[in-house]
Amino acid sequence: KAGVTQTPRYLIKTRGQQVTLSCSPISGHRSVSWYQQTPGQGLQFLFEYFSETQRNKGNFPGRFSGRQFSNSRSEMNVSTLELGDSALYLCASSFRQGSTEAFFGQGTRLTVV
Amino acid sequence: AQKITQTQPGMFVQEKEAVTLDCTYDTSDPSYGLFWYKQPSSGEMIFLIYQGSYDQQNATEGRYSLNFQKARKSANLVISASQLGDSAMYFCAMRHDTYTGNQFYFGTGTSLTVIP
Repeated sequence: KAGVTQTPRYLIKTRGQQVTLSCSPISGHRSVSWYQQTPGQGLQFLFEYFSETQRNKGNFPGRFSGRQFSNSRSEMNVSTLELGDSALYLCASSFRQGSTEAFFGQGTRLTVV
Repeated sequence: AQKITQTQPGMFVQEKEAVTLDCTYDTSDPSYGLFWYKQPSSGEMIFLIYQGSYDQQNATEGRYSLNFQKARKSANLVISASQLGDSAMYFCAMRHDTYTGNQFYFGTGTSLTVIP
């Protein structure tokens, strides 16, 4: 079966712009969570969705937002981009909360110039 | 507070040898899961192995095994018969089995290099 699909793979944006990233989980998986990975901060949790509801949110400013659709696909949006938002954004897909497996996509590498 | 510690920033291993990557964790919650992921330079996080806090036996998946010592709060990954393709970053992660929060807490990772 298809894995977790994140689009686009690469993005270059200018400071002040906004960006939308997409994550399509494995078919049948209802839990999607997002992480930001940077060399300085490592992997940090952004938010988690289950059945279209945000269950949990990390310590990020309000410029970071997300949503999940009825087909479990999720999007995250970052408004008013800053240079520090340059990172690899990863999404993880699980069948349900508490699953013994969680699969990640290949990530979207965002560069803010 | 939940915390994952990986004390080995970089490790080298000879091809076909076994290697152990260390991971310790800290939590007051009795129910949790421990995961190991491999991240090659392409960026994708590849799921390797899972250990539940109530599992009595150590998890194994092919060449990967998890040495789970609950009292010491350690969850070391053992890779047997290392291959060149095993060169990558390895992350230990913990997740709690609750319905109010399901995020991963990651360690800082260990960079493994397999030498031919």
